[in-house]
Amino acid sequence: EADIYQTPRYLVIGTGKKITLECSQTMGHDKMYWYQQDPGMELHLIHYSYGVNSTEKGDLSSESTVSRIRTEHFPLTLESARPSHTSQYLCASSDPIDRRQFFGPGTRLTVL
Amino acid sequence: QQQVKQSPQSLIVQKGGISIINCAYENTAFDYFPWYQQFPGKGPALLIAIRPDVSEKKEGRFTISFNKSAKQFSLHIMDSQPGDSATYFCAASLDRDKIIFGKGTRLHILP
Repeated sequence: EADIYQTPRYLVIGTGKKITLECSQTMGHDKMYWYQQDPGMELHLIHYSYGVNSTEKGDLSSESTVSRIRTEHFPLTLESARPSHTSQYLCASSDPIDRRQFFGPGTRLTVL
Repeated sequence: QQQVKQSPQSLIVQKGGISIINCAYENTAFDYFPWYQQFPGKGPALLIAIRPDVSEKKEGRFTISFNKSAKQFSLHIMDSQPGDSATYFCAASLDRDKIIFGKGTRLHILP
């Protein structure tokens, strides 16, 4: 079972609020990722990190930002949430040997 | 050239039947081809993976067939069960680069 955690699992907030989605893993993986996914639909890579102090934007443009100060922690922040940000956000890390990605359970975000 | 094209978008199979999902890629440098399974409300989880030096890999009822010359690979689920109903994603990656996912196939197994 993957040791990757996301909090909160569900979040309903109003437009304009600042939010941070937490992601942590205990496997010591250097590579971590954030995906945006509408339920059962395509996975869109929005951010990734190859290690501490490394962050890159993914294939899908996103108004969110990320930071990687510690190996185990990869939080995602939205400075001013909008209804268009309503989606599921999945965090993942990958094994450096077999490249397997371990996904967290996701955060379902609803912006009213 | 970085895309992975997956079909069909949705699939309905009778219990006990064979489910087949197909994927195609363009970048011949890809060297790792995993399949992920996702149940509603959960994150995807690795189901089975193959490298291009192998034409077939089987794990239980799940088999990946790989055709390097055609740049295609497919997932076969034998004796499909209602518990197999999920969304399946094929993917490909290049060395230590990020994984490129297909758009997903929603599989529904009729009881």
